[in-house]
Amino acid sequence: GQNIDQPTEMTATEGAIVQINCTYQTSGFNGLFWYQQHAGEAPTFLSYNVLDGLEEKGRFSSFLSRSKGYSYLLLKELQMKDSASYLCAVRDSNYQLIWGAGTKLIIKP
Amino acid sequence: IAGITQAPTSQILAAGRRMTLRCTQDMRHNAMYWYRQDLGLGLRLIHYSNTAGTTGKGEVPDGYSVSRANTDDFPLTLASAVPSQTSVYFCASSAGTDTGELFFGEGSRLTVL
Repeated sequence: GQNIDQPTEMTATEGAIVQINCTYQTSGFNGLFWYQQHAGEAPTFLSYNVLDGLEEKGRFSSFLSRSKGYSYLLLKELQMKDSASYLCAVRDSNYQLIWGAGTKLIIKP
Repeated sequence: IAGITQAPTSQILAAGRRMTLRCTQDMRHNAMYWYRQDLGLGLRLIHYSNTAGTTGKGEVPDGYSVSRANTDDFPLTLASAVPSQTSVYFCASSAGTDTGELFFGEGSRLTVL
C-alpha cells in the first residue's frame, strides 16, 4: 500500500528553527509537495520537489532524497503565524496525490 | 478575486437527505478534485476530473457522485447522506494533472445527523 508518515505534532519556540520530516512509500514518484493549513482554513501551497536536494524559498526550505523516500520542511526564524498544520503529499505514478495526515506545529513565545 | 468558491460553507443535514456541494473556479484550470478531510487522516480523494466532460473515482468514492459539464463547475452530490459522511469537504483545482500545485477552496463543513 501507499503510505506517507509525518509526526503528528511538534512544538518550537518563536525565533527558532524547526524541521518537519516526511517519509513515503508510494507506487512511483512524480514529485513531493508541502502545504500549510491554518486551523479552519484551506491548505495553501508551500513548496514542490521533484529532484534530490534543497529548495529554498525565504524562511522555508524543503529537501528531498528520492532514494531514501524522505523529505523535510525547514522553517527558520519562526513566527507565531507559523502555527499551523503542515501537510506532506506525494504524486504517484498515476499522478494522484497521496497525503500525509499532517504535522501540527505549535509555536511558543 | 480569482480562485475557487465553495458553497455552502457549512451545513447540517438529516441522514437520508440529498445534498449537493457546489464548486466553481475562475482560473480556467483543467483538473478539479474533491477531497474530504477528517481528524487524524490525510486528505482523501473522492472524485476527480482531468478535463471538462470527464470524471474519475478517487480513494473513497462510495456514496458520492460528480459531474463536469463545463470547465468552471464541479459539483459533488451525496445521494442519501449518512453520518459517516460528516466531514470537511475541499474542492481543488490545478492547471493540469501533471503540472503545478493544487489551489483549494475554503471548504464546506458538513454534519449528517
